[in-house]
Amino acid sequence: DTGVSQDPRHKITKRGQNVTFRCDPISEHNRLYWYRQTLGQGPEFLTYFQNEAQLEKSRLLSDRFSAERPKGSFSTLEIQRTEQGDSAMYLCASSFTAPSSPLHFGNGTRLTVT
Amino acid sequence: QQQVKQSPQSLIVQKGGISIINCAYENTAFDYFPWYQQFPGKGPALLIAIRPDVSEKKEGRFTISFNKSAKQFSLHIMDSQPGDSATYFCAASFQAGGGNKLTFGTGTQLKVEL
Repeated sequence: DTGVSQDPRHKITKRGQNVTFRCDPISEHNRLYWYRQTLGQGPEFLTYFQNEAQLEKSRLLSDRFSAERPKGSFSTLEIQRTEQGDSAMYLCASSFTAPSSPLHFGNGTRLTVT
Repeated sequence: QQQVKQSPQSLIVQKGGISIINCAYENTAFDYFPWYQQFPGKGPALLIAIRPDVSEKKEGRFTISFNKSAKQFSLHIMDSQPGDSATYFCAASFQAGGGNKLTFGTGTQLKVEL
């Protein structure tokens, strides 16, 4: 399977703890995106990378969130001091740089903060 | 600010019928309009997409109709099948400086009954 891979699939944590998610994009893709999806809503953009450079961050991405893509391949999304409002599905997607290149999504990491 | 509005929120269609989902956008800079299909526990998957220089695009049973002056586009699913039961999201992006970043609608939960 050469699709976008996310790990873990599910994460349950207590409020105040830190969590880290990993995304492995399709290897040929140089763009990588993070989205957040809450129940009954569409995915909301958080941030994206072109190779190792983080080019844009949404206002949704508070100071407690940090994303990295150190070698332009896999990416990590860390949430510090988790809050119950952080409970959501965190989706990763990747694409080529060319205009209108479709985004290919992984199956997400479901975070539950208790 | 919701830049892409989607309706209806849910839809029940009989097997063999036509499913129609509508979206409206506000940002006239949008120049790429995909539809994504999402099954429970999975990430969104690209179904079909259109650019504003055409008014209609058809792929198999799926058709996008696009009205640039009204800033609206819709998805038609012909001969709907139970396997089409899923959540459908419209989305939009602009390429110039947009980074292929998608803005999603709120989703339509489609159920196709036998």
